[in-house]
Amino acid sequence: GAGVSQSPRYKVAKRGQDVALRCDPISGHVSLFWYQQALGQGPEFLTYFQNEAQLDKSGLPSDRFFAERPEGSVSTLKIQRTQQEDSAVYLCASSLTRTDAYGYTFGSGTRLTVV
Amino acid sequence: AQSVTQLGSHVSVSEGALVLLRCNYSSSVPPYLFWYVQYPNQGLQLLLKYTTGATLVKGINGFEAEFKKSETSFHLTKPSAHMSDAAEYFCAVSDSGNQFYFGTGTSLTVIP
Repeated sequence: GAGVSQSPRYKVAKRGQDVALRCDPISGHVSLFWYQQALGQGPEFLTYFQNEAQLDKSGLPSDRFFAERPEGSVSTLKIQRTQQEDSAVYLCASSLTRTDAYGYTFGSGTRLTVV
Repeated sequence: AQSVTQLGSHVSVSEGALVLLRCNYSSSVPPYLFWYVQYPNQGLQLLLKYTTGATLVKGINGFEAEFKKSETSFHLTKPSAHMSDAAEYFCAVSDSGNQFYFGTGTSLTVIP
């Protein structure tokens, strides 16, 4: 597609519920990134894929967070047993190259609210 | 390790006035530097980037930034603010690794 598409745009989850957030990167983009943006803050790195390989997951805040990109295109970020502190906008970004020297293309994000 | 400091979480300028948004970084290696803009309920859009070469970088919408290694700065400027420039601006640094480090953002208000 023309841009990075994320769904759903908004998600309200009850505390303890599992959620799955989807990212469709730009076709052919090798690298895919997930960022978490808390209210009033800059995005913070969660995890990075190069094709289907998850090369860096150092930013995932706990083992309740899990990401996958099984076929090297669409990616899903899953959060198990959601907590209120998980409330944030989750941004997906993709990049054509294997390094980030050219910047990312970001999606519009999924706003997760845990109540 | 890399980090970014954006001085001033809120900046207000009059329409037609100079826009100056400050960004200082720390990096152990020559950095890649970026400015992104975020409009309400939207993702981040790349304004401009510095990788190598000329230290004065021109971006979209009339914005430009200058990489000053001696000052570890990458301030964003625009000669004349427009109402449509009102948004959140983020400076980011990367060491060409696998992630960016973003500042906490500066909210720009343009007063008519």
